[in-house]
Amino acid sequence: AQTVTQSQPEMSVQEAETVTLSCTYDTSENNYYLFWYKQPPSRQMILVIRQEAYKQQNATENRFSVNFQKAAKSFSLKISDSQLGDTAMYFCAFMREGAQKLVFGQGTRLTINP
Amino acid sequence: EADIYQTPRYLVIGTGKKITLECSQTMGHDKMYWYQQDPGMELHLIHYSYGVNSTEKGDLSSESTVSRIRTEHFPLTLESARPSHTSQYLCASSESRPPYEQYFGPGTRLTVT
Repeated sequence: AQTVTQSQPEMSVQEAETVTLSCTYDTSENNYYLFWYKQPPSRQMILVIRQEAYKQQNATENRFSVNFQKAAKSFSLKISDSQLGDTAMYFCAFMREGAQKLVFGQGTRLTINP
Repeated sequence: EADIYQTPRYLVIGTGKKITLECSQTMGHDKMYWYQQDPGMELHLIHYSYGVNSTEKGDLSSESTVSRIRTEHFPLTLESARPSHTSQYLCASSESRPPYEQYFGPGTRLTVT
């Protein structure tokens, strides 16, 4: 069975700093998809970024980028120029090709301080 | 506008009451999911559905039940609420083809007194 591990339960940085959230996963599959979701306090969970395993190029969405290391089974999220609105729980998630459900990590609570 | 809706957003109810949490999506997605999440904690999948008339239990055992009579509607029912059911319930939906990303509703925060 696939597992996803987020080893940082909590992180805290100053506004405008860069922060990296780590995520590792365990799978024997070759075709799969990885996601980072953001859940702000008392607000809706939204997708931040996704990565297809067959793509070598790291995904980027504005200030958010990933470092996808397929051999190491690592999928970290980098937030550049962090903003107060980035304060949230961040969940890493994995889905193998053809599966019925996502596998989520435990989450990392990120706080951006003014 | 395509979206996923959950009602009610907040519910406080007494022990023993029957409750139904509503979830609807207008995106035409085949798959729908229910997660249970204590505040600030990890997500636990309790039910999912591949499509109409299909329902499956998730990874976390739950006393709740679900139904999928229409594509857009995936209600969750608790026949007899207990304080241990106090939690946040998140509904999500996704397509059956890549990239499989799930879209989440705003959640229902349930408190059983």
